Amino acid sequence: GQNIDQPTEMTATEGAIVQINCTYQTSGFNGLFWYQQHAGEAPTFLSYNVLDGLEEKGRFSSFLSRSKGYSYLLLKELQMKDSASYLCAVSYSGAGSYQLTFGKGTKLSVIP
Amino acid sequence: GAGVSQTPSNKVTEKGKYVELRCDPISGHTALYWYRQSLGQGPEFLIYFQGTGAADDSGLPNDRFFAVRPEGSVSTLKIQRTERGDSAVYLCASSYQGPKLAHAQFFGPGTRLTVL
Repeated sequence: GQNIDQPTEMTATEGAIVQINCTYQTSGFNGLFWYQQHAGEAPTFLSYNVLDGLEEKGRFSSFLSRSKGYSYLLLKELQMKDSASYLCAVSYSGAGSYQLTFGKGTKLSVIP
Repeated sequence: GAGVSQTPSNKVTEKGKYVELRCDPISGHTALYWYRQSLGQGPEFLIYFQGTGAADDSGLPNDRFFAVRPEGSVSTLKIQRTERGDSAVYLCASSYQGPKLAHAQFFGPGTRLTVL
């Protein structure tokens, strides 16, 4: 299988910084995506990494290390509206379709 | 611009019935995906269309599931003889499709299917 592992739940304080980790199997790796999903809503695209390093987009940044099969999503200046599930998803080549394999998601709770 | 739309938003049916779920992708996106998401899980891939053809249907759980995209735009996911285990949120996503690299997939709001 192509397990995508991420913590089930995290809690952080409003205004703080939180890092959500994701590990994946490296064979056939073709790109990694982070999505945000609020309860009862569809996933929304946050970031995409295909090369090693950090991609910054406003308060959100995503890091990738292909050799380690590791990524993290960094959320800065947390706001209450950031409470959601964060999904790590990997595209594997050879599948013929660039389908995404998702982790189970990390439920982030932001508290005052 | 308009995003991915899906209808109906909710569907309640009885075990053994037939259902159709519709997806209207973002205009210009040639790639279309169907996923299924159960509570507490990430989305699971079902089927992928590139244009009109189902290029990868390896995620369909069995032959009760079928999908079409006859004109390369709107897609319909069809489930025959529904079972209680089919209850889930069915998500549709679309993207550009380049030659080598994966592209971001944009999801619709989903159809919540409940089989009684």
